[in-house]
Amino acid sequence: AQTVTQSQPEMSVQEAETVTLSCTYDTSENNYYLFWYKQPPSRQMILVIRQEAYKQQNATENRFSVNFQKAAKSFSLKISDSQLGDTAMYFCAFTALNRDDKIIFGKGTRLHILP
Amino acid sequence: GAVVSQHPSWVICKSGTSVKIECRSLDFQATTMFWYRQFPKQSLMLMATSNEGSKATYEQGVEKDKFLINHASLTLSTLTVTSAHPEDSSFYICSAIRDTNTEAFFGQGTRLTVV
Repeated sequence: AQTVTQSQPEMSVQEAETVTLSCTYDTSENNYYLFWYKQPPSRQMILVIRQEAYKQQNATENRFSVNFQKAAKSFSLKISDSQLGDTAMYFCAFTALNRDDKIIFGKGTRLHILP
Repeated sequence: GAVVSQHPSWVICKSGTSVKIECRSLDFQATTMFWYRQFPKQSLMLMATSNEGSKATYEQGVEKDKFLINHASLTLSTLTVTSAHPEDSSFYICSAIRDTNTEAFFGQGTRLTVV
């Protein structure tokens, strides 16, 4: 069974700073996707970034980038130049490239961006 | 991006009654839809996977007779909470995927309160 672990329940950083959210996962699958989702106070789930396991290059989306270490099963999210609108719950998630397409979520990290 | 609409956004019902939540993919055909439950300040817990025209696959510990899922078309899945009790009060979220192993799009969620 796949598991996703986020070891930081809550974090706070000053606006404009850089913050890194940690995520580790466990799987016996070889082909899979990893995701970071953001859930702001509205509770709408928003995809932040996606990484295909077969790609060595780390995914980047504007201020958001990941550090994907496949051998270590680590998938951290870096937010650069943090903004007040980045305040949200962040969930690391995993899905295996098989038939069931289930997404398994970590417990989440509550991120506060302080003015 | 693709849009998933969930209705209602919030509902209050009396104990013992049933309530139906709809999940619609507005601009794409969803091969698979998922239903999640989220307790306050916690992660998303997968309840079931639903494919059009077939029976839903429930996760371990989820009561099939309590949470009825119908996936009548490629754009609509419904979750009916039968004989609701206060402990069923929660935030329910659906997601839909267009093809296998692609991005999941989330509805805005439904807050259910059973009184």
